[in-house]
Amino acid sequence: DVKVTQSSRYLVKRTGEKVFLECVQDMDHENMFWYRQDPGLGLRLIYFSYDVKMKEKGDIPEGYSVSREKKERFSLILESASTNQTSMYLCASSVARGTGNTIYFGEGSWLTVV
Amino acid sequence: GQQVMQIPQYQHVQEGEDFTTYCNSSTTLSNIQWYKQRPGGHPVFLIQLVKSGEVKKQKRLTFQFGEAKKNSSLHITATQTTDVGTYFCAGHLYGNKLVFGAGTILRVKS
Repeated sequence: DVKVTQSSRYLVKRTGEKVFLECVQDMDHENMFWYRQDPGLGLRLIYFSYDVKMKEKGDIPEGYSVSREKKERFSLILESASTNQTSMYLCASSVARGTGNTIYFGEGSWLTVV
Repeated sequence: GQQVMQIPQYQHVQEGEDFTTYCNSSTTLSNIQWYKQRPGGHPVFLIQLVKSGEVKKQKRLTFQFGEAKKNSSLHITATQTTDVGTYFCAGHLYGNKLVFGAGTILRVKS
C-alpha cells in the first residue's frame, strides 16, 4: 500500500512564526502536492512538484514556499504564519506525469495560527 | 478561471434513501476522478472515468461521465451509515491540471 506520512497531525503556532510541514512518501512517486482544505472551498492546490528540486505554483501559493531536496520528501513552509493560514493541510503523491493518475493523500495536518 | 462546481454542498438523508452529487466543469475534462473522505480522515480514491458517456458501478455506487465530458455524477442507492463523509470530484483538465470540486457532505440518519 502507498504510504504518505505527514509528520505533524496537530500544530498550534503563533502569528509570525516560521512553520514547517513535512511529508514523506514511500512509493517512489515522482509527483508530490500540497493542498489546503477549508469548509465550503474543497481542496485548493498550493504547490506541486514533478521532480527533485522542481516546484510549481498551484492556485494559492501566496504566503507559502516548498522544498523538495529528495524524491520522497516534500516540505511546505510558511515563512511568517498568519491567522488566515489556519487550515487543514494535505500532502499527496502520484506516480509519473500525465493525466489519470490516482492521487494518494496523507492523513492531514491541522494547523492553528493564533 | 477554470473551475469544477459541485452540488449540493450538504445533504442529510434517511438511511435507505438515495443520494446524488453532481459536478460541472466550465471546460472539457480529459477524465474525472471521485474521492471519499470519512469524517476526520483524508480523501481516498474511489474511481476514475475517462470515456464520454461512461458509467461505472461499485456495489451501490454509480458513477457517470457526461457525453460532453463536462459533467459527472455519483449516485448512491439505499444509503447506509457507512456512506457518511465528504465526496469530492476532481477533474483533469487537458494540460495535466487536476481541479477539485468543493465536495458534498453526506450525513445519514439511522
